[in-house]
Amino acid sequence: ELKVEQNPLFLSMQEGKNYTIYCNYSTTSDRLYWYRQDPGKSLESLFVLLSNGAVKQEGRLMASLDTKARLSTLHITAAVHDLSATYFCAVDIGDNDMRFGAGTRLTVKP
Amino acid sequence: EPEVTQTPSHQVTQMGQEVILRCVPISNHLYFYWYRQILGQKVEFLVSFYNNEISEKSEIFDDQFSVERPDGSNFTLKIRSTKLEDSAMYFCAHKGPGGRETQYFGPGTRLLVL
Repeated sequence: ELKVEQNPLFLSMQEGKNYTIYCNYSTTSDRLYWYRQDPGKSLESLFVLLSNGAVKQEGRLMASLDTKARLSTLHITAAVHDLSATYFCAVDIGDNDMRFGAGTRLTVKP
Repeated sequence: EPEVTQTPSHQVTQMGQEVILRCVPISNHLYFYWYRQILGQKVEFLVSFYNNEISEKSEIFDDQFSVERPDGSNFTLKIRSTKLEDSAMYFCAHKGPGGRETQYFGPGTRLLVL
């Protein structure tokens, strides 16, 4: 059975601090996606990681993919309140399908 | 980012009633998906649809559920006899023909079964 595990599930951090969210998965895959969800809203695509060693950066967020370790990370640099949201990773399982992790609920406090 | 639309945005129904949720596709997108998210929980895959056929479905997607593109445009999810536990946010998503793109999610339909 495919497992996509995110940790932590809940993260409370101070503005200005750095932190990393981890996404481990149990299947062979070379593609992984990160999404952001604000409360009551839909999912917004953040990053598409398409190969081993891929690194993407957008503002204070940086995502990376290690397909050999079956691990992706989402690194937050100098957090600001606007980054408060739930972040989901999703693993491509082939046939244009993907499966989601449980999500990491991030709260950034002033 | 391509925009996906869904109707209705909210629906309240009585247990045992049928509901149809609609998704308006992006014209050049070929792959369609339905997901469910119970309040505050993870995003659960229901079904994927390609070339007017179901290509994959989860164990959640039982005989009470069906999908179709009735007029070649809108993509619908039907729940034949709703249960209390069907209350959730339902998202449709699309993916383009490139094969390496992400899935784009609609705004969702919030379904409440009473």
